Amino acid sequence: AQSVTQLDSHVSVSEGTPVLLRCNYSSSYSPSLFWYVQHPNKGLQLLLKYTSAATLVKGINGFEAEFKKSETSFHLTKPSAHMSDAAEYFCVVSESSGNNRLAFGKGNQVVVIP
Amino acid sequence: DGGITQSPKYLFRKEGQNVTLSCEQNLNHDAMYWYRQDPGQGLRLIYYSQIVNDFQKGDIAEGYSVSREKKESFPLTVTSAQKNPTAFYLCASSLGQGRGVTGELFFGEGSRLTVL
Repeated sequence: AQSVTQLDSHVSVSEGTPVLLRCNYSSSYSPSLFWYVQHPNKGLQLLLKYTSAATLVKGINGFEAEFKKSETSFHLTKPSAHMSDAAEYFCVVSESSGNNRLAFGKGNQVVVIP
Repeated sequence: DGGITQSPKYLFRKEGQNVTLSCEQNLNHDAMYWYRQDPGQGLRLIYYSQIVNDFQKGDIAEGYSVSREKKESFPLTVTSAQKNPTAFYLCASSLGQGRGVTGELFFGEGSRLTVL
């Protein structure tokens, strides 16, 4: 079964500095990988997705992530943090085996310091 | 606008009571899901449905029940058998198996249940 590890449950960044959220996964099949963002008391919104095309994926709000198969990683980055980036971020893996089951990481709570 | 509507947004329940959370979608999606979210634990799958009149247990189905009588609707009942029901509940939908990208989910805004 697939699984996801997100270290650093809480991340603090200063406004205007880079954001890096780490995600490592395990999967028996060719995975699809996703990052979702959740603002307080809201549902999750898709930031970006990797589905076996380009390994560098660009998403909304200036975020991007790079799929590295050799490192089983899918880290999320943004060059310059904005106050509106304060939220919780989830890395998700889906296997192409057709079982339609997802594995969610436990999330990174991002705080942006003015 | 297309989307997923969950209601109520906040709900309080006394111990021993069953409560039903509503989830309606107008995205014409085949698959629908219920997740439970607790602080620091990510999302855990309660039940999912790939098609009308069919549903499967997820990882933490005990104490919950669902129905899928219509494509648009997937209500979740939290029964008195659920030992620790206080949580944030999220409903989601997707195009369905074999259609679109597996894992690309569309979420509602959630329902927060508190047991008094």
